[in-house]
Amino acid sequence: DAGVIQSPRHEVTEMGQEVTLRCKPISGHNSLFWYRQTMMRGLELLIYFNNNVPIDDSGMPEDRFSAKMPNASFSTLKIQPSEPRDSAVYFCASRLDRYGANVLTFGAGSRLTVL
Amino acid sequence: AQTVTQSQPEMSVQEAETVTLSCTYDTSESDYYLFWYKQPPSRQMILVIRQEAYKQQNATENRFSVNFQKAAKSFSLKISDSQLGDAAMYFCAYSANAGGTSYGKLTFGQGTILTVHP
Repeated sequence: DAGVIQSPRHEVTEMGQEVTLRCKPISGHNSLFWYRQTMMRGLELLIYFNNNVPIDDSGMPEDRFSAKMPNASFSTLKIQPSEPRDSAVYFCASRLDRYGANVLTFGAGSRLTVL
Repeated sequence: AQTVTQSQPEMSVQEAETVTLSCTYDTSESDYYLFWYKQPPSRQMILVIRQEAYKQQNATENRFSVNFQKAAKSFSLKISDSQLGDAAMYFCAYSANAGGTSYGKLTFGQGTILTVHP
């Protein structure tokens, strides 16, 4: 099992540019999560999907952020337009939802720097 | 809303010694999980140990064990025989179990940086 795969690992962009982060969850997992990690705010849940359907997007900071999960094996997090305050590490995680399981497996994260 | 609090921003320990990291949480749920995740400099989030709230027995994983006090809503992590590779940021986290009103979200504490001295 290759684990949760995120790309890119690092992204440096200029303010105003569109950024797309990608995630491939573990095969068979039916929930997918996007987290953001910053020094100031720690780890924040942005959005999570269950069976490809967004369940809770209350953590999405504003309309500049959008996330999609077109199928069980792929998700994107898009920021348009990007701003310097979006600089953070973005983690994707997946989970098999089953009573008694409840363990998230994280990807290696995508470090975003917006200049 | 569920909250998780780690009151120790930093801790240090000598190699081979024992260290305990503290965590408290607040919830109105009765069925939930608690976790400790480790984040080394590589930034990969690694599950260290988990505890199911309905189990009274404290979870253990090799050198890692927890002290789960449900009434006090306390969940501390004890690392025995500390090794240099244990140096990392440690996060305490909470998740309601399936059927809970807040099922799905994993809420993290602020983290504790652990330094291991040779």
